[in-house]
Amino acid sequence: NAGVTQTPKFQVLKTGQSMTLQCAQDMNHEYMSWYRQDPGMGLRLIHYSVGAGITDQGEVPNGYNVSRSTTEDFPLRLLSAAPSQTSVYFCASRRRTEAFFGQGTRLTVV
Amino acid sequence: EDKVVQSPLSLVVHEGDTVTLNCSYEVTNFRSLLWYKQEKKAPTFLFMLTSSGIEKKSGRLSSILDKKELFSILNITATQTGDSAVYLCGQGSGNTGKLIFGQGTTLQVKP
Repeated sequence: NAGVTQTPKFQVLKTGQSMTLQCAQDMNHEYMSWYRQDPGMGLRLIHYSVGAGITDQGEVPNGYNVSRSTTEDFPLRLLSAAPSQTSVYFCASRRRTEAFFGQGTRLTVV
Repeated sequence: EDKVVQSPLSLVVHEGDTVTLNCSYEVTNFRSLLWYKQEKKAPTFLFMLTSSGIEKKSGRLSSILDKKELFSILNITATQTGDSAVYLCGQGSGNTGKLIFGQGTTLQVKP
């Protein structure tokens, strides 16, 4: 059972480039979320979804887009990367209990 | 606006000490409070609390929730160096699946 799978694990982007962070879960969970983690800031919610076709903004949504066309997948798009988006990104999925996290993507924007 | 605040932000203790980590929250539609431990990688689940006054326990770790005063504590007794980590408190609300976290408490346990 793979759980939550994030790709890539590491990425370096130049300012202005776009990219998509992938997240897939195989637990048939309704809820999926994206977080970013910066030193001393805990986990900050970027976007979340309550099911296929339904997404909503979290605490820090600016500069990021999401979509959820299937229950399994919840990609996060950076349309024009900025150095302020340098961070570690975690995807999580849950039903009504604990959240399960992917292993994270370390993104550096130069 | 939903909010989770943890204290202290960092803590240094020696092996064998007991520590108490605090988590307070403000939420429009409380559903659950969760504690996680994060070492180098992804957070790992410790406890989920939904009812006031009922202690959850796992080995040397325990946690309790006070829904009237809107806070939770995580206790670790007889700390070990392996307890060194960031401890995250998260609050889930309503039927949205929305789960937000506090800033985390960084615990360092010295030998």
